[in-house]
Amino acid sequence: KQEVTQIPAALSVPEGENLVLNCSFTDSAIYNLQWFRQDPGKGLTSLLLIQSSQREQTSGRLNASLDKSSGRSTLYIAASQPGDSATYLCAVIPASGSRLTFGEGTQLTVNP
Amino acid sequence: SAVISQKPSRDICQRGTSLTIQCQVDSQVTMMFWYRQQPGQSLTLIATANQGSEATYESGFVIDKFPISRPNLTFSTLTVSNMSPEDSSIYLCSARQENYGYTFGSGTRLTVV
Repeated sequence: KQEVTQIPAALSVPEGENLVLNCSFTDSAIYNLQWFRQDPGKGLTSLLLIQSSQREQTSGRLNASLDKSSGRSTLYIAASQPGDSATYLCAVIPASGSRLTFGEGTQLTVNP
Repeated sequence: SAVISQKPSRDICQRGTSLTIQCQVDSQVTMMFWYRQQPGQSLTLIATANQGSEATYESGFVIDKFPISRPNLTFSTLTVSNMSPEDSSIYLCSARQENYGYTFGSGTRLTVV
């Protein structure tokens, strides 16, 4: 059974800092890995999708990496802003089937 | 990627009543999913809704409590039946697209009193 762990559970940083969120998974037989952002009481917004054959994806100030062999992904946020404050979730898409497995999330607070 | 419109965004309901949540996708998708997110927790899959067949429910969720419709490739509804305060959660629909991964609706924040 796939298990996804996110570290840290919560993170508070001053504005402008670069930061890294970590995601690890136990079963390397994945199809894709996807990072989401969730604001309180809202739905999920997709940030980056990494195909299993890719090593990283970039969008603006965000960069996500994937190392299947070690079962790890990182989300790098450059020059953080207060508007980045949210919960960040990583989710693993299995190689077979369609059932997403989510981590518990990292709650990020960026202080002005 | 697809855009999903979900409504209502929030509701406060009396116990014993039912609420139907709707999700409209702006393109055709084969697979749609319904999730529940209880306060402070991650998402739990309720069921997978495929067009033309009955929904597939996860362990702990039953059709009588959470009936789902999927009349076409762009629309699905989830009904929360005979509600109790324990059903107070955020409910989310999602769709999968091959090159875009998963897209989620904006969520329905349900409070049962």
